[in-house]
Amino acid sequence: SQQGEEDPQALSIQEGENATMNCSYKTSINNLQWYRQNSGRGLVHLILIRSNEREKHSGRLRVTLDTSKKSSSLLITASRAADTASYFCATDDPYSGAGSYQLTFGKGTKLSVIP
Amino acid sequence: GAVVSQHPSWVICKSGTSVKIECRSLDFQATTMFWYRQFPKQSLMLMATSNEGSKATYEQGVEKDKFLINHASLTLSTLTVTSAHPEDSSFYICSAPPHYQPGQETQYFGPGTRLLVL
Repeated sequence: SQQGEEDPQALSIQEGENATMNCSYKTSINNLQWYRQNSGRGLVHLILIRSNEREKHSGRLRVTLDTSKKSSSLLITASRAADTASYFCATDDPYSGAGSYQLTFGKGTKLSVIP
Repeated sequence: GAVVSQHPSWVICKSGTSVKIECRSLDFQATTMFWYRQFPKQSLMLMATSNEGSKATYEQGVEKDKFLINHASLTLSTLTVTSAHPEDSSFYICSAPPHYQPGQETQYFGPGTRLLVL
């Protein structure tokens, strides 16, 4: 099965700065999603980008997708201390019986925003 | 929005005991639910796909006799860790896509259950 790989594994920035995280994957996808996870908690869905889309915005979030390079990036602008969390990309498997719902998660980027 | 709950949120048990974790979709029906496991500082790994009214589909390397899954209704799936051992200590998360919603690509995740086996 494919796996997303995020980089960097850890990122520490000052409040107000932008944070960029990257994700690469290996096989075809219908869509790619980004999730946030606060320490020891569940997942929060941030944004979904379809394979025919190149860029998507949601508030302070900007996601890009390059299917030719099999990569995506998540940009968080004007970061806040509350953005401190782990961020995961997740890709679906178009060939699984569960359609776009069976997800493969990347290893995640641990973001620390220093006040 | 749609909510998925898990119970319990925390469980500590002795080695050799069995632990049941429930995953419920609170305001929608889910014919399919997914169970993930997350070890500390690692990513989520899909364990199995739970199908209402039929057998679960397990990922490679996941022992079906150890991780029993029952999806008896459209709103409830249970994961039972049988004869739990310390290496089963992990964070277990379920997710559920809404049923009968064409074009609905996102799914809803439960808050997770942290299992500690002593």
